[in-house]
Amino acid sequence: GENVEQHPSTLSVQEGDSAVIKCTYSDSASNYFPWYKQELGKGPQLIIDIRSNVGEKKDQRIAVTLNKTAKHFSLHITETQPEDSAVYFCAASPDGGATNKLIFGTGTLLAVQP
Amino acid sequence: EAGVAQSPRYKIIEKRQSVAFWCNPISGHATLYWYQQILGQGPKLLIQFQNNGVVDDSQLPKDRFSAERLKGVDSTLKIQPAKLEDSAVYLCASSSYRGGGSNQPQHFGDGTRLSIL
Repeated sequence: GENVEQHPSTLSVQEGDSAVIKCTYSDSASNYFPWYKQELGKGPQLIIDIRSNVGEKKDQRIAVTLNKTAKHFSLHITETQPEDSAVYFCAASPDGGATNKLIFGTGTLLAVQP
Repeated sequence: EAGVAQSPRYKIIEKRQSVAFWCNPISGHATLYWYQQILGQGPKLLIQFQNNGVVDDSQLPKDRFSAERLKGVDSTLKIQPAKLEDSAVYLCASSSYRGGGSNQPQHFGDGTRLSIL
């Protein structure tokens, strides 16, 4: 079955710096890759997603890149702010849209130091 | 648009007792998911419904966990009897996905935090 690995597990940056979180997946049939932000005591919140027919997608300070050949995808946050501090999860949908299920990575705790 | 509603927010029970969680998805969303999130890990899918039918329950421990989605809207997840290792956050998510095509985003509720003593 699909396996999603996520690195690093913790990331500390200074306010204003950039943060990059990387994920790899194993199932070449995976075609949808969302990223979620989870704050303490809250459920995961979708922040951006990318489909396999696109190499990059941006939304203000957030961007996601996808390398299908290498089975890598990454989240880039620029000009980080203290409110970006949270746990970030990547996920992959392994069955080409047949069921819409998601397999999640293990999460990255991002701390933005003021 | 109202989000996914879950209750209760917290529950503390002793092992071998039973517990139930309730979820109300986003209005009009056909697909509903229950996830288990153990501390320090990503969410793990337990069961997926499309309308009132089960799409995937391969990771649901059926000897103790059960779930239903009567009338294709609200859903309940039950654990009976609870074990210590069931301590986790139980998340409900919903999606407008209706099958056999393009993926649609999943939207999560804030979960129920279950502690087993």
